[in-house]
Amino acid sequence: DTAVSQTPKYLVTQMGNDKSIKCEQNLGHDTMYWYKQDSKKFLKIMFSYNNKELIINETVPNRFSPKSPDKAHLNLHINSLELGDSAVYFCASRAGGREANVLTFGAGSRLTVL
Amino acid sequence: AQSVAQPEDQVNVAEGNPLTVKCTYSVSGNPYLFWYVQYPNRGLQFLLKYITGDNLVKGSYGFEAEFNKSQTSFHLKKPSALVSDSALYFCADGGYGNNRLAFGKGNQVVVIP
Repeated sequence: DTAVSQTPKYLVTQMGNDKSIKCEQNLGHDTMYWYKQDSKKFLKIMFSYNNKELIINETVPNRFSPKSPDKAHLNLHINSLELGDSAVYFCASRAGGREANVLTFGAGSRLTVL
Repeated sequence: AQSVAQPEDQVNVAEGNPLTVKCTYSVSGNPYLFWYVQYPNRGLQFLLKYITGDNLVKGSYGFEAEFNKSQTSFHLKKPSALVSDSALYFCADGGYGNNRLAFGKGNQVVVIP
């Protein structure tokens, strides 16, 4: 009964390909995020959606495009993959109110670009 | 602006000894500080947070953290470390209502049996 689930868990692909990572949360949260964790374990926010509306868009190449069909889902599509895109991508969701900014993370999707 | 700093890369501690993971903050306004833990091949898990109130905050798995305004610190502590506490620990700052958490670089904790 996973709260935040991401698929796929592992993704190995060639440079130049297009790939997607999907995320779903069953917590009823309004806000969802994508974070990127690089090889040095640094965590950087990429995007955030609140109830299907984009509210955070950090300096991320246009090749990355998030999509939120409903507030329980936030997918990440990446065009023309580059070597530097290799990382672990984490989806997270956030409760509001008194638990604001307490994030629940998915297990991560490890992307390897060859 | 909001930021946190974790000055150490790795903390080694013997099992049963006290564990401290350091974090300092540099924020404008009131800091809202968090600790998360990441076990190998897993996502981050929330440990504890400070927003207002008591400077000593108790969290999951026997961890606690002390908010120290004069030293601008929010160190994570555990009185007696377990081997299972070996993980990556992240300090974070997230102003209430600003929708984002800014994470520190992380500290690898190794508890030696």
